[in-house]
Amino acid sequence: AQKVTQAQTEISVVEKEDVTLDCVYETRDTTYYLFWYKQPPSGELVFLIRRNSFDEQNEISGRYSWNFQKSTSSFNFTITASQVVDSAVYFCALSEALNTGFQKLVFGTGTRLLVSP
Amino acid sequence: EAGVAQSPRYKIIEKRQSVAFWCNPISGHATLYWYQQILGQGPKLLIQFQNNGVVDDSQLPKDRFSAERLKGVDSTLKIQPAKLEDSAVYLCASSLAVGGPKSYEQYFGPGTRLTVT
Repeated sequence: AQKVTQAQTEISVVEKEDVTLDCVYETRDTTYYLFWYKQPPSGELVFLIRRNSFDEQNEISGRYSWNFQKSTSSFNFTITASQVVDSAVYFCALSEALNTGFQKLVFGTGTRLLVSP
Repeated sequence: EAGVAQSPRYKIIEKRQSVAFWCNPISGHATLYWYQQILGQGPKLLIQFQNNGVVDDSQLPKDRFSAERLKGVDSTLKIQPAKLEDSAVYLCASSLAVGGPKSYEQYFGPGTRLTVT
């Protein structure tokens, strides 16, 4: 079965520091998708990025960047020059193919990021 | 564009009582999901609808949980009777139909926090 491991339970940094959130996954599917979601204190999960398994290009969006390495089954997320507003729980998720032809998401346990001023 | 709407936001009930949650997805989103998020854990998929048909309900405790999506738009999730371990946040999400470039990008509502005493 699919599995997502986020070994870092909580990370604390000071504003302007760079921080990397780790995500390691296990899958039996040959084609799959990886996601990152942010859950601020308000509770609503916010979609950040989707990456498919045959596209290993790293992606950068502003202060956010993602490093996908199929060889190590990792999809790490880096925030550059962190800000207090980045404080949230971040979830990595992996798609799982269903017998119906659809996909469902399997989430990791999340990493709580605390950015202090 | 309006996001995913959920109500109520909070609910406190006693064990063995029943409760219902409502979700209205983003307009045009054919796929609707209900997740259970227990404190400190990632969301766990309970049931997934494609229009008004069930795609996956393998993790739905069917002896006490039920869900429907009449007319392929709004959905309700019911628990009857509730147990203490049902205390969690119940998240609804929606996504565009399968096949397009944005398929599998799920957009979440604010959730309903259920406390069972």
